[in-house]
Amino acid sequence: EVQLVESGGNLVQPGGSLRLSCVASGFNFSTYWMTWVRQAPGKGLEWVANIKEDGTEKHYVDSVKGRFTISRDNAEKSLYLHMNSLRADDTALYYCASGYCTNVRCYSSPENWGQGTLVTVSS
Amino acid sequence: SYELAQPPSVSVSPGQTARITCSGDALPTKYAYWYQQKSGQAPVLVIYEDSKRPSGITERFSGSSSGTTATLTITGAQVQDEADYYCYSTDSSDRVFGGGTKLTVL
Repeated sequence: EVQLVESGGNLVQPGGSLRLSCVASGFNFSTYWMTWVRQAPGKGLEWVANIKEDGTEKHYVDSVKGRFTISRDNAEKSLYLHMNSLRADDTALYYCASGYCTNVRCYSSPENWGQGTLVTVSS
Repeated sequence: SYELAQPPSVSVSPGQTARITCSGDALPTKYAYWYQQKSGQAPVLVIYEDSKRPSGITERFSGSSSGTTATLTITGAQVQDEADYYCYSTDSSDRVFGGGTKLTVL
């Protein structure tokens, strides 16, 4: 059974930093794209960042470029999101999600999701 | 930046067919994905690559795509299908979710 468990969410002041973690189990983590998606309270889903299976390719939504860094440790089956210069509009539930593979190729589009970790940016 | 447009809400009676649309300029060449999110829960993938159903997803869910519009169809909608539904797709540089559609079955 695929499991993704996020942690690291917390209350942080504007301008502060936080590192989110996601530990994976039940699938071959090192062969899948991984993605962070967030959801502000009462709002819709927002794609944040993703990272290729070997870490050589990373993409970010414009609003977090230069502030957030996605990384992974395949040996530890873990995904990370390093968040700096946090702002009130970064307040959200942050989900970790895995891509999927067919017989032909692997895709970054989210398939399995964790339950999320809550980040609150407030003074 | 790329955008996907969904109606904010759709309402049907139990047993009726619900259709939720998603419009985007890149959809003729890019796959659409659909996620169901029930209150207080994480999203669940219900349709991938426009029309494919993941294992474990009921056959009542189907997807199609034509031109710039992708459609999620729920045949014989049930009360337990009440949820928010999000489409997801990409263009050459952006990866985006639609704004979401609240499906009411009553």
